[in-house]
Amino acid sequence: KQEVTQIPAALSVPEGENLVLNCSFTDSAIYNLQWFRQDPGKGLTSLLLIQSSQREQTSGRLNASLDKSSGRSTLYIAASQPGDSATYLCAVWGGSNYKLTFGKGTLLTVNP
Amino acid sequence: NAGVTQTPKFRVLKTGQSMTLLCAQDMNHEYMYWYRQDPGMGLRLIHYSVGEGTTAKGEVPDGYNVSRLKKQNFLLGLESAAPSQTSVYFCASCDTNTGELFFGEGSRLTVL
Repeated sequence: KQEVTQIPAALSVPEGENLVLNCSFTDSAIYNLQWFRQDPGKGLTSLLLIQSSQREQTSGRLNASLDKSSGRSTLYIAASQPGDSATYLCAVWGGSNYKLTFGKGTLLTVNP
Repeated sequence: NAGVTQTPKFRVLKTGQSMTLLCAQDMNHEYMYWYRQDPGMGLRLIHYSVGEGTTAKGEVPDGYNVSRLKKQNFLLGLESAAPSQTSVYFCASCDTNTGELFFGEGSRLTVL
């Protein structure tokens, strides 16, 4: 059974810092990995999608990497802003089923 | 550009009452999902569908039923609500070309 772990569970940083969120998964036979952002009381917004054949994806100040063999992904946020404060979740889609498995998320707080 | 729409957004039920949550997507996606999100538990898959007329059980299907009579709609039913079903429910649809998941805004259900 696929398990996804996100470390740390919570992170508080001052504005302007660069930071890294970690995601690990137990079964490396994945189809893709997706990072989401969730604001309080809201749904999940897709940030970056990395296919299993890719090593990284970038969108603005966000960069996500994938090392499938070691079962790890990182989300790098450059020059963090208070507006980046949210919960960040990663999810993996296994190759043999139609379901995503989610981590429990990292709650990020960026202090002005 | 509606994407994934859930109705209702809020509902309070008494134990034993029934209700149906509606999810509608306008992206012509084949795959649709119902998740529940609880503090400390993360997102857990209730039921999913890989096409019109199909449904399948996820991790926590007990107490719920689903139907996918039309491709754009995925209904989640509670026949006899219990306090343990108090949660935030999220619907999602998947672009099977990329594996990217799109979420609705959520439906907050309280069972007294």
